[in-house]
Amino acid sequence: NAGVTQTPKFQVLKTGQSMTLQCAQDMNHNSMYWYRQDPGMGLRLIYYSASEGTTDKGEVPNGYNVSRLNKREFSLRLESAAPSQTSVYFCASSKSIPGTGIDTQYFGPGTRLTVL
Amino acid sequence: QKEVEQDPGPLSVPEGAIVSLNCTYSNSAFQYFMWYRQYSRKGPELLMYTYSSGNKEDGRFTAQVDKSSKYISLFIRDSQPSDSATYLCAMRKTSYDKVIFGPGTSLSVIP
Repeated sequence: NAGVTQTPKFQVLKTGQSMTLQCAQDMNHNSMYWYRQDPGMGLRLIYYSASEGTTDKGEVPNGYNVSRLNKREFSLRLESAAPSQTSVYFCASSKSIPGTGIDTQYFGPGTRLTVL
Repeated sequence: QKEVEQDPGPLSVPEGAIVSLNCTYSNSAFQYFMWYRQYSRKGPELLMYTYSSGNKEDGRFTAQVDKSSKYISLFIRDSQPSDSATYLCAMRKTSYDKVIFGPGTSLSVIP
């Protein structure tokens, strides 16, 4: 049981290049998320998918697109990378804790992206 | 003003000390409160959660919510070097709403 996996772990891009960050979970969770984490800013939600076939914008969606390929996989695409997109990107999936109304979010190890 | 604020630290304490980590928030509609722990170069993991006001204890950890003051705390008793991490508070208005994370407080427990 690998949990949430992300590839690649590190990436350096030049301004204008495109790339896709891959995420997969093997916990049979319906909901999946993409966050970015910047110093002093905390985790900010880029996009999320409440279930297979649906995606919705989060707090900072500009410059990104997502695909919920199936229940396991949720990818994040940067079409034309900009230096402002230099960040650590985390994918997460979640399940509800029965009777609490609280989701437990399980995070992947992150992708460290630098855009020059 | 950010919705959720935390002192970024770094906070450095000796082993065995009691640690107090705090968050303030501006939106009184938040009802669900969580603490995540993030080790260096790892993803966050859920540590504790509470609903509405009150205290919740789990081993050496106690989470406290004061909704009247819009203030939540995480206390760590008998702190250990393995507690060295960044602690993120998180909250949401309803069980279906998005989670808002604080920026995190970096904690170092010195042996």
